Amino acid sequence: DVKVTQSSRYLVKRTGEKVFLECVQDMDHENMFWYRQDPGLGLRLIYFSYDVKMKEKGDIPEGYSVSREKKERFSLILESASTNQTSMYLCAILGGANTEAFFGQGTRLTVV
Amino acid sequence: AQSVTQLDSQVPVFEEAPVELRCNYSSSVSVYLFWYVQYPNQGLQLLLKYLSGSTLVKGINGFEAEFNKSQTSFHLRKPSVHISDTAEYFCAVSEGSNYKLTFGKGTLLTVNP
Repeated sequence: DVKVTQSSRYLVKRTGEKVFLECVQDMDHENMFWYRQDPGLGLRLIYFSYDVKMKEKGDIPEGYSVSREKKERFSLILESASTNQTSMYLCAILGGANTEAFFGQGTRLTVV
Repeated sequence: AQSVTQLDSQVPVFEEAPVELRCNYSSSVSVYLFWYVQYPNQGLQLLLKYLSGSTLVKGINGFEAEFNKSQTSFHLRKPSVHISDTAEYFCAVSEGSNYKLTFGKGTLLTVNP
């Protein structure tokens, strides 16, 4: 079974805090993605990585950064959390064109 | 840049009726196309995918989709829906050598008795 594990299911943080969301995979896949899911807006791509230390901005990168030091781990960083970053965050992996994307269980982040 | 448009945000239908969920995309290169389903309070599950070959793709739970390159569409269909098909459906496009994966905003399918 494919495992994509996000470090927390629920998280509550204060405005201005630096927040780390971790995603770990056991499939040795090259491509990893971070999305946020909001009602009526679908899944919006924040950042993705296609190899260790390689990253590309998605559609809404502002206020976020990422880190991929090892192939199995992809971290999303909220530099200074704000209330408009309250959302469900989903990590996904993709092993190339001929595979489906596998998702983590999601982290529901609330910024107060 | 690629984008995905799901033309209907909500689609209500009666049980056993046919349904079509529409998806259009824009991209300057060849793409791979996917439909995902998300049942209430659950994660995303792959319904079907188009990579190449036959433009009619069959997926799980009786769903199928047709890739139309000239119209840049990938509409999802089911000839007869069940109550259990009530869920949110997402169209997604992957393009480029880095396989950037972009999703549409989703279509909420509600099947009524």
